[in-house]
Amino acid sequence: DAKTTQPPSMDCAEGRAANLPCNHSTISGNEYVYWYRQIHSQGPQYIIHGLKNNETNEMASLIITEDRKSSTLILPHATLRDTAVYYCIVRPRSEKLVFGKGTKLTVNP
Amino acid sequence: EPEVTQTPSHQVTQMGQEVILRCVPISNHLYFYWYRQILGQKVEFLVSFYNNEISEKSEIFDDQFSVERPDGSNFTLKIRSTKLEDSAMYFCASRGGQSPYTFGSGTRLTVV
Repeated sequence: DAKTTQPPSMDCAEGRAANLPCNHSTISGNEYVYWYRQIHSQGPQYIIHGLKNNETNEMASLIITEDRKSSTLILPHATLRDTAVYYCIVRPRSEKLVFGKGTKLTVNP
Repeated sequence: EPEVTQTPSHQVTQMGQEVILRCVPISNHLYFYWYRQILGQKVEFLVSFYNNEISEKSEIFDDQFSVERPDGSNFTLKIRSTKLEDSAMYFCASRGGQSPYTFGSGTRLTVV
């Protein structure tokens, strides 16, 4: 299983872009990078995923390096409601998602 | 937007009692999961279910746990004889084909 490395915590000012990094140097060619977040004790919420191309949706953008060994989740205009734990998950060959400790993002007013 | 619904939101039970946690996955989804999160710890995989059978389970999912899809819409997790250490948030999730997981809002189980 590929492992991911994320900083334990980050801060961001409200209205600014939040850039959350993730290292996944042992990712396999057929594994996707998924991002989920968990606000307080709610259920994890899907944000975005990608294989090798950059992706954008209404919530965020995902930038994956050409060698696929790292990625960055970008929240373009962070709000207080984006304060959460963000999980970068590389989908293993088995079907389950494996959650690490993630990055606790705090958006400050 | 379709949701995964979990009931109850909070369940308190005495040690040794049986509990059933209920989930209604998204209607056209085919893969179902249970996860749990002990307070302050990581979200942990328990079990996956597809085509009316368990497809994978973790070491946590021992003989005290069982899952069932009794009527084609509900997906349940049963704990036969609860222990104090079973106290946690339990999350149900579902997905269809290549779609991402959708998680429910969870059931907080407190064993006293």
